[in-house]
Amino acid sequence: KAGVTQTPRYLIKTRGQQVTLSCSPISGHRSVSWYQQTPGQGLQFLFEYFSETQRNKGNFPGRFSGRQFSNSRSEMNVSTLELGDSALYLCASSPGQGLTGELFFGEGSRLTVL
Amino acid sequence: GQQVMQIPQYQHVQEGEDFTTYCNSSTTLSNIQWYKQRPGGHPVFLIQLVKSGEVKKQKRLTFQFGEAKKNSSLHITATQTTDVGTYFCAGRPYNTNAGKSTFGDGTTLTVKP
Repeated sequence: KAGVTQTPRYLIKTRGQQVTLSCSPISGHRSVSWYQQTPGQGLQFLFEYFSETQRNKGNFPGRFSGRQFSNSRSEMNVSTLELGDSALYLCASSPGQGLTGELFFGEGSRLTVL
Repeated sequence: GQQVMQIPQYQHVQEGEDFTTYCNSSTTLSNIQWYKQRPGGHPVFLIQLVKSGEVKKQKRLTFQFGEAKKNSSLHITATQTTDVGTYFCAGRPYNTNAGKSTFGDGTTLTVKP
């Protein structure tokens, strides 16, 4: 069974640009959650989608948005990039909603904002 | 909102020494999960604890869930260099909504051979 796939793995953007990250969950998993990881900041929860609906949202500005498609694939978008948005963005999938079971993480998309 | 505190932030040990990381939640948890992230890698699930006072073992790793379901610990006996990484706990709040996934800030373990 293929794992969680995130694309792109690495990207460099400049301030003010926008970026879209993609996540393909494990087949059969309906929940996708996104996390931002920066050195010393741990894993900051961005949002969670289940069956195409956003179920939970973290404390991030409106520049961060996401969506989930009918095939459970998910995208997140960050508009008007700031230097502080440089981070590893991790996607995790699970069969159920919330921490009802194991989260399977992808390798992440490492974003650098110059 | 719910907070999950994890201590210590860093731990340096000599190979063969024991290691413990602690996780404390401001609210009662439905369950708690532990993950390990190797340097340059992504978090990998270790275990989930659900019951009050639950203790689970995986070889040299012992996981405990507090009686009040607000704290947890991970203990590694006789650390090895392969134990290097950051250990995260993640707590699910005990309410009707599945709730956000709240991770602790992690404990980074380094092991000196």
